[in-house]
Amino acid sequence: DIQMTQSPPSLSASVGDRVTITCRASQSISNYLNWYQQKSGEAPKLLIYAASSFQSAVPSRFSGSGSGTDFSLTISSLQTEDFATYYCQQTYSSPYTFGQGTKLEIK
Amino acid sequence: EVQLLESGGGLEQPGGSLRLSCAASGFIFSNYAMSWVRQAPGKGLEWVSSISGNSEMTYYADSVRGRFTISRDNSRNTLFLRMDSLRAEDTAVYYCAKYYYDSGRKSFDYWGQGTLVSVSS
Repeated sequence: DIQMTQSPPSLSASVGDRVTITCRASQSISNYLNWYQQKSGEAPKLLIYAASSFQSAVPSRFSGSGSGTDFSLTISSLQTEDFATYYCQQTYSSPYTFGQGTKLEIK
Repeated sequence: EVQLLESGGGLEQPGGSLRLSCAASGFIFSNYAMSWVRQAPGKGLEWVSSISGNSEMTYYADSVRGRFTISRDNSRNTLFLRMDSLRAEDTAVYYCAKYYYDSGRKSFDYWGQGTLVSVSS
């Protein structure tokens, strides 16, 4: 199975900050990497697919990059509504594993 | 508008069975693969199972293979998850998700609100 390792597990930041979350795969997954946002008590929401493509209606302050084993999600200027938990997921091969999540909290 | 509505969760004893359903609307259901993802209380996301649009292909996580069965009824736009031999560690919110895939993209683009399964004596 492909293991997905996210860092950091948690992150404290302020509105307006630029933050980056990283995700590393245990083997190459090409660009089959997705990012999801999950707010407390809600279902996950797809933000980024294929490592760097935006899902519709996702604000442009979110961006994704990477290929192979190393990926990142960047939020260019944090807004209040961005405080949530973020998960990466590989869909290169079954089982479609998720990272353990990064909880983004208000400083 | 894509909508996915899960049902069928509840409290069940270890060793028991449950069947989850996910009613889909807002897209041509038979054209898309579908998946189940679960989340144990306070934990992260775990992919459980996926099924192709025509039901020819099914995939399972090792943790549920042989105990859970994914299926779909395209005439009723409904996805199912039959859960047998339930264990305490199956306790989780179960989400159904629309699985969009083509040559350059494989992602879960829409999710339901989830249904809670609790396994306890």
